[in-house]
Amino acid sequence: KQEVTQIPAALSVPEGENLVLNCSFTDSAIYNLQWFRQDPGKGLTSLLLIQSSQREQTSGRLNASLDKSSGRSTLYIAASQPGDSATYLCAVDSWGKLQFGAGTQVVVTP
Amino acid sequence: NAGVTQTPKFHILKIGQSMTLQCTQDMNHNYMYWYRQDPGMGLKLIYYSVGAGITDKGEVPNGYNVSRSTTEDFPLRLELAAPSQTSVYFCASRTGNSLNQPQHFGDGTRLSIL
Repeated sequence: KQEVTQIPAALSVPEGENLVLNCSFTDSAIYNLQWFRQDPGKGLTSLLLIQSSQREQTSGRLNASLDKSSGRSTLYIAASQPGDSATYLCAVDSWGKLQFGAGTQVVVTP
Repeated sequence: NAGVTQTPKFHILKIGQSMTLQCTQDMNHNYMYWYRQDPGMGLKLIYYSVGAGITDKGEVPNGYNVSRSTTEDFPLRLELAAPSQTSVYFCASRTGNSLNQPQHFGDGTRLSIL
């Protein structure tokens, strides 16, 4: 059974620092890995999707890497801003169904 | 640009009552999903559908039922509500054209069972 783990559970950084969020998974047979952002009281917003054949994806200040052989993905957020404060969840897609980690709650202080 | 719409946003239900959570999407997506999210946890899949008339169980289906009579709508029914079903429920949809497309989520229904 696929298990997805996110460490740390919570993270607080001063504005301007780079954020590094980790995601690990136990079964490398995946179609893709997705990173989502969740704001309090809201649904999930898709940030990046990395296909199983890709090593990384970039969108603006966000960069996500994928190492299937070691079962790891890392989300980098450059030059963090207070507006980046949210919970970030990773999810692996196996046969069209997502398995989620518990998320990392990020606070960026001004 | 409505996307995925869930109603109601909040609801309090008594133990043993039944209710239906509504979900509709206007993106003509074939795939639709229901998840629940408990505090401090990731989302767990309850049921999913790959098209009208086709549904299947996810990881935590007990106590729930679904139907998919149209492409747009995917209601989730709770029968004989129990306190363990207190949670935030999210509906999501995805195009069926490729597996490498992200899911689009609604804002959730916050359900308390007392």
